[in-house]
Amino acid sequence: EDQVTQSPEALRLQEGESSSLNCSYTVSGLRGLFWYRQDPGKGPEFLFTLYSAGEEKEKERLKATLTKKESFLHITAPKPEDSATYLCAVNWGAGGTSYGKLTFGQGTILTVHP
Amino acid sequence: DSGVTQTPKHLITATGQRVTLRCSPRSGDLSVYWYQQSLDQGLQFLIQYYNGEERAKGNILERFSAQQFPDLHSELNLSSLELGDSALYFCASSGSFGYNEQFFGPGTRLTVL
Repeated sequence: EDQVTQSPEALRLQEGESSSLNCSYTVSGLRGLFWYRQDPGKGPEFLFTLYSAGEEKEKERLKATLTKKESFLHITAPKPEDSATYLCAVNWGAGGTSYGKLTFGQGTILTVHP
Repeated sequence: DSGVTQTPKHLITATGQRVTLRCSPRSGDLSVYWYQQSLDQGLQFLIQYYNGEERAKGNILERFSAQQFPDLHSELNLSSLELGDSALYFCASSGSFGYNEQFFGPGTRLTVL
């Protein structure tokens, strides 16, 4: 079963057109939710960590929020350089053999047209 | 630049062969993680080492093994390679036991012919 689901799969925006990406999770014992940005052929670049429902983090045009079932990545007035794949990942479980394991969603491919 | 380095950048080999991928974590980080990224499976966790000891394991194949050395660099060994092993392999590191953000390296692209 899918434990981390991201939507939409792809999103095309005009420059300046704000929108949100969604990450829903069905895991129990959430220890942290992470957002990454990935450019083609490169390693994921860390953006945010959220630990508890109600928490919000901001960085430039990006804002991440967390509820008990999902997280949103809001993009305000995006620019073409924001085009990338945005990945959501969760660290969850009761310890034991899953300490550092991140479970990733399939990502949202964002394209921002000038 | 995350501070995590991986070598080689690209690797092309034949089925049945064995390869070794190398990773150096960020200065001061004790945890090293290995992930595999393929088009159909996305990013999949393979294994974590913390200060030289295995700490978490994902669906890593028996043909794959890893270790972390006293200087904290890590190697991922892939043997009896199959066409389906072709993928991007990423190493990540973090300063903690595993509950905080991980910083990824640039990856090694493995092509098995």
